[in-house]
Amino acid sequence: GIQVEQSPPDLILQEGANSTLRCNFSDSVNNLQWFHQNPWGQLINLFYIPSGTKQNGRLSATTVATERYSLLYISSSQTTDSGVYFCAVGSNYQLIWGAGTKLIIKP
Amino acid sequence: EAGVAQSPRYKIIEKRQSVAFWCNPISGHATLYWYQQILGQGPKLLIQFQNNGVVDDSQLPKDRFSAERLKGVDSTLKIQPAKLEDSAVYLCASSSRLAALYNEQFFGPGTRLTVL
Repeated sequence: GIQVEQSPPDLILQEGANSTLRCNFSDSVNNLQWFHQNPWGQLINLFYIPSGTKQNGRLSATTVATERYSLLYISSSQTTDSGVYFCAVGSNYQLIWGAGTKLIIKP
Repeated sequence: EAGVAQSPRYKIIEKRQSVAFWCNPISGHATLYWYQQILGQGPKLLIQFQNNGVVDDSQLPKDRFSAERLKGVDSTLKIQPAKLEDSAVYLCASSSRLAALYNEQFFGPGTRLTVL
């Protein structure tokens, strides 16, 4: 089956820093989503991005489907950005999840 | 547009007891999913409904877990009897019929279950 790998597994940054999170996947997929799981456990949709680039405020994402990777950029990090960022790809009507990147933003 | 609703938000039970979780999807969403998320891992799909029919329940431990969506709207997930390893967050998600073709899912706040 499809493998989804996220890097880095952990990231600790000072408030105001920028970061790049990566998601690699092993086969063609019909979609890719980025989620933020906050410290209370809620999964929040960030981007639905099977290809191309999208931006939403301080966050942006780029998926290069032909090279099987996606990047999530967070600029000017805030403490509320802390949590786990998951990448999930769609295949055969299911979502295949990466293990997540745990991001800690220090004040 | 209201999001996916789940209740309760937290539940603590003793092992061998029973527990039930409720989910109300986004209005008009035909597809409903239940996931189990163990701390430190990504969500694992337990069961997927299309309207009131089961599409996939291959990872549902059917000896103790059951789920229903009788009227094709809200859904209940039950564990009977609970084991220590069932401690997890139980997430409900929904998709519109079109979005489900592309696996775009929207998640509720989850129910955090602790089994003692």
